Amino acid sequence: QQQVKQSPQSLIVQKGGISIINCAYENTAFDYFPWYQQFPGKGPALLIAIRPDVSEKKEGRFTISFNKSAKQFSLHIMDSQPGDSATYFCAARPTDSWGKLQFGAGTQVVVTP
Amino acid sequence: GAGVSQSPSNKVTEKGKDVELRCDPISGHTALYWYRQRLGQGLEFLIYFQGNSAPDKSGLPSDRFSAERTGESVSTLTIQRTQQEDSAVYLCASSKSDTQYFGPGTRLTVL
Repeated sequence: QQQVKQSPQSLIVQKGGISIINCAYENTAFDYFPWYQQFPGKGPALLIAIRPDVSEKKEGRFTISFNKSAKQFSLHIMDSQPGDSATYFCAARPTDSWGKLQFGAGTQVVVTP
Repeated sequence: GAGVSQSPSNKVTEKGKDVELRCDPISGHTALYWYRQRLGQGLEFLIYFQGNSAPDKSGLPSDRFSAERTGESVSTLTIQRTQQEDSAVYLCASSKSDTQYFGPGTRLTVL
């Protein structure tokens, strides 16, 4: 069963716009929420991560917002650039299964010039 | 230093054959993970090695799948009697803390 649900499946945004990707989790207790960026033909690479005791984390143009009570977290990409065109995955790490990251299905982001 | 490397990068095999995929983790990383990524989908956890502890095999989809790791070094994922549904990219990752570093993957195509 998929414990981390990600939306939208795909997203087209103009250069300079804001890309927003949402994830929701259920049932399991998680203690770490990373976002990964994947370019075609490459493995995913960590973009930014947050722990549940923090409601927001910002690194450059990338921000994670975390709502513990709603079991939701989101990635905001500010001032989107064509080089940001990639697939983004949210993930969550179960507290009792340290090695088993649960991934969302991914969001393909296309930034048009 | 060098990142996670995987070989081969591409593998085409016939249904029913066995395949072996290799992962070389980053030196010093005690944890190693295997994932499967089907076309257009997210990553599916397969197996996790942590130091000398027994591996967590709970994600292996069937007994045709097995994996080994030599100490804190190389790992091999073996798929026996391959089926067409095994076609996917198999990703390996390693870590020494929270962050998992992924290799480029092996694209497996079963004809």
